[in-house]
Amino acid sequence: ETGVTQTPRHLVMGMTNKKSLKCEQHLGHNAMYWYKQSAKKPLELMFVYSLEERVENNSVPSRFSPECPNSSHLFLHLHTLQPEDSALYLCASSQDGAGTYNEQFFGPGTRLTVL
Amino acid sequence: AQSVAQPEDQVNVAEGNPLTVKCTYSVSGNPYLFWYVQYPNRGLQFLLKYITGDNLVKGSYGFEAEFNKSQTSFHLKKPSALVSDSALYFCAVQGGTDSWGKFQFGAGTQVVVTP
Repeated sequence: ETGVTQTPRHLVMGMTNKKSLKCEQHLGHNAMYWYKQSAKKPLELMFVYSLEERVENNSVPSRFSPECPNSSHLFLHLHTLQPEDSALYLCASSQDGAGTYNEQFFGPGTRLTVL
Repeated sequence: AQSVAQPEDQVNVAEGNPLTVKCTYSVSGNPYLFWYVQYPNRGLQFLLKYITGDNLVKGSYGFEAEFNKSQTSFHLKKPSALVSDSALYFCAVQGGTDSWGKFQFGAGTQVVVTP
């Protein structure tokens, strides 16, 4: 596998379910990100991890819980979601640090539907 | 605060004609500007970026973009569009001294190239 992979690609869940999204990057990067993509809206940055430490949390509801066990893996744990949380969830990685402006590499996304 | 605007929801162009996708930005400090493309059921794919130097930046698949500081614009261009260029295009900006990894994306512009 190369680049950034995400599983599952599609997920349908009820509002009372608990599920997790997984992201893995094979690029040796030190930063990973979760984005939410809804139709006709800008991408929303949800979480940023650098060297496995969370450095950004853009006021995301607590029903979304990220986990970064190492620099190659990123999870998004989901529980008691709402229908408006239905969206494409994108993971990205980059080689970053203060004073650098490198492009991010994206996975194919997980299409989430909350019933 | 940083922001980016893509004024057109959709751009239609005939194959072989020039393609332009518009982007304007607002940042405090130096702007670092990026273009990404998203094909159906795929994640975002990096096209090109402007960090410093020459205002005309060349990128992947024959695309280029021109940084215009006075007009705060970073329009994406291709001299001769292909049907395979039909996709969703995103402009993104990073700005400020403590904004690494923190992209602000536009809402996206759908490009439709007709044969």
